[in-house]
Formats: sequence, structure tokens, C-alpha cells
Amino acid sequence: RKEVEQDPGPFNVPEGATVAFNCTYSNSASQSFFWYRQDCRKEPKLLMSVYSSGNEDGRFTAQLNRASQYISLLIRDSKLSDSATYLCVWGGTGGFKTIFGAGTRLFVKA
Amino acid sequence: NAGVTQTPKFQVLKTGQSMTLQCAQDMNHNSMYWYRQDPGMGLRLIYYSASEGTTDKGEVPNGYNVSRLNKREFSLRLESAAPSQTSVYFCASSEAGSTNQPQHFGDGTRLSIL
Repeated sequence: RKEVEQDPGPFNVPEGATVAFNCTYSNSASQSFFWYRQDCRKEPKLLMSVYSSGNEDGRFTAQLNRASQYISLLIRDSKLSDSATYLCVWGGTGGFKTIFGAGTRLFVKA
Repeated sequence: NAGVTQTPKFQVLKTGQSMTLQCAQDMNHNSMYWYRQDPGMGLRLIYYSASEGTTDKGEVPNGYNVSRLNKREFSLRLESAAPSQTSVYFCASSEAGSTNQPQHFGDGTRLSIL
């Protein structure tokens, strides 16, 4: 089992839809998680940090379920500009071992 | 407002050639990282530098060396390039010396080895 697993997708949704991605992790001893977005042939950019049960920023909500060892990302009212790959990151236990998931691809269509 | 700057953006090498990828950050961050990204796989850590003067191996260090030249600069060297090192390389930096802080990425170096 990979340490961080994501459904690669792609998820194809219409504009205005709500879409959710899950990310599971095998090591429960992490104090931090992150969601990044990565556009095609670009660098990853931080979308959201999660240090407790969750976080919300506008149309984006992250929920952390420590008991089941997954973190989700919910996008409401999808925009065309949300089309990207979303990377889940297990932040580790205070050292330097950050683990990136392979990403979930999202296409938002008009 | 440069953030993390990587050079070059693209490079083609022949097997056995050597080269150095450069990275500089202007955010006064303590920690810097080198990753590679291959299709269908997550970013994999090659080397990191927790603070100026220190470097440590990550998940996939074989075939690479690094130098933390000063607080701003962290270079990655391929001594004898191999086709398996064809990849996109990202440099990143973070404020504090732990993975509890998010990392900020440069825009990558696309490296092809023939």
C-alpha cells in the first residue's frame, strides 16, 4: 500500500458542480496535511494547509478524518479555472519526510 | 516578487554528461528541497537542506549531489547523467525546519537525457 493514495481520476464535472476528492494515508502520526494544485507543466502551488480537523477557504473545504486516515477536499461551485491536478500531501511528524500523493486530475467543463 | 527561482528551465543532455541545476529563494527561508516528478508518480524527495550548512538524503538520492551554497541557494548536481534521470525537477523552500510548514516551489527544470 502506498503511503499516500489518491484516485487519479480524471473527474469531469460541469461548471457549478460540487466535487470531492479523497486522499488516504497509511501513517497516522502526522501533525499536518496540505492540498496543492498543479496546472499542466507548472509547479505545485499551495491551496490549503490542514493542522486540525479541517479548513475552509472560500469555495474550498478540507476535512481530516484521523480515525479513518483520510483527508478530503471539497470544491463547491466549480469554475473552469479549477481544472488542474490536486495533490494531497502528508506533512510528516516534524522531520523532513513529506510525502506527496500522485494527484487527482479535475476537468471542469462549460 | 520572485520567490523560488530555478535555472535552467529546460536542458537536454547526453548520457554520461554532468550538469548542475541552480535554485535560489528570496523569502529568507531556512529549509530547501529538491524533488523529481515523473508521470503517474508523486513528487519524490531527492535531497533536502534543513538549514544553511546542512544537507541530507531524501527518498531517491542515488546519482545526485547537492550543495547549500548559502541561505539563498541550493544546487543539485548530476555527475554522470543517465536516461533514468529524465524528469522534471522542482526546488522548494519552507520557512521553518520541519514539514509542518508548507513548501513553496520554483517553476521547475525539464531535463531530458538521451
